Amino acid sequence: AAGVIQSPRHLIKEKRETATLKCYPIPRHDTVYWYQQGPGQDPQFLISFYEKMQSDKGSIPDRFSAQQFSDYHSELNMSSLELGDSALYFCASSQTGQATGNTIYFGEGSWLTVV
Amino acid sequence: GIQVEQSPPDLILQEGANSTLRCNFSDSVNNLQWFHQNPWGQLINLFYIPSGTKQNGRLSATTVATERYSLLYISSSQTTDSGVYFCAAVDRGSTLGRLYFGRGTQLTVWP
Repeated sequence: AAGVIQSPRHLIKEKRETATLKCYPIPRHDTVYWYQQGPGQDPQFLISFYEKMQSDKGSIPDRFSAQQFSDYHSELNMSSLELGDSALYFCASSQTGQATGNTIYFGEGSWLTVV
Repeated sequence: GIQVEQSPPDLILQEGANSTLRCNFSDSVNNLQWFHQNPWGQLINLFYIPSGTKQNGRLSATTVATERYSLLYISSSQTTDSGVYFCAAVDRGSTLGRLYFGRGTQLTVWP
């Protein structure tokens, strides 16, 4: 079965640089979520999109932005990178209103290291 | 948002032992999921279980929604079960699907 696809899997950037993470949700899933997991921490919600519109916003820094495109893939753009942005970034997707339950599926994550 | 608490924070077992992980949540939920994060960082879906009981091989889970807790049972543990187990929930009043995670249980299984 198709899963959530994230790219790149690993990324090394210098401080003050910009990084872009991509996410391809499971086909027919209409909601995409982004989470950030710092070292030794639990995943924290950043932002979500439903049918290409921003639906919810969490603790996402102003330096970060995201969007969902017409083909439902999503991109997380991170600018003016700081050392503290080093983390594992997850994309997840779900199909709202699914009769069998609104299971949220996670991608394998993108490791971002800021040096 | 909803508060999710997991216990114990750490668990060390010998191969073959059984274990129970607990997740308490502060409010009614319309989604509760258990995940296993392996040493490579992958978050593996174990169960979607806002209520009731489910079993999948050596793993089973029970959620008692009225009492706001969920349990994950691991039987005959194997070294490959090592990793962090997360419980995460969506507030029942939310239609947006934001998952709130607990701090996780770090499980180490020794051969």
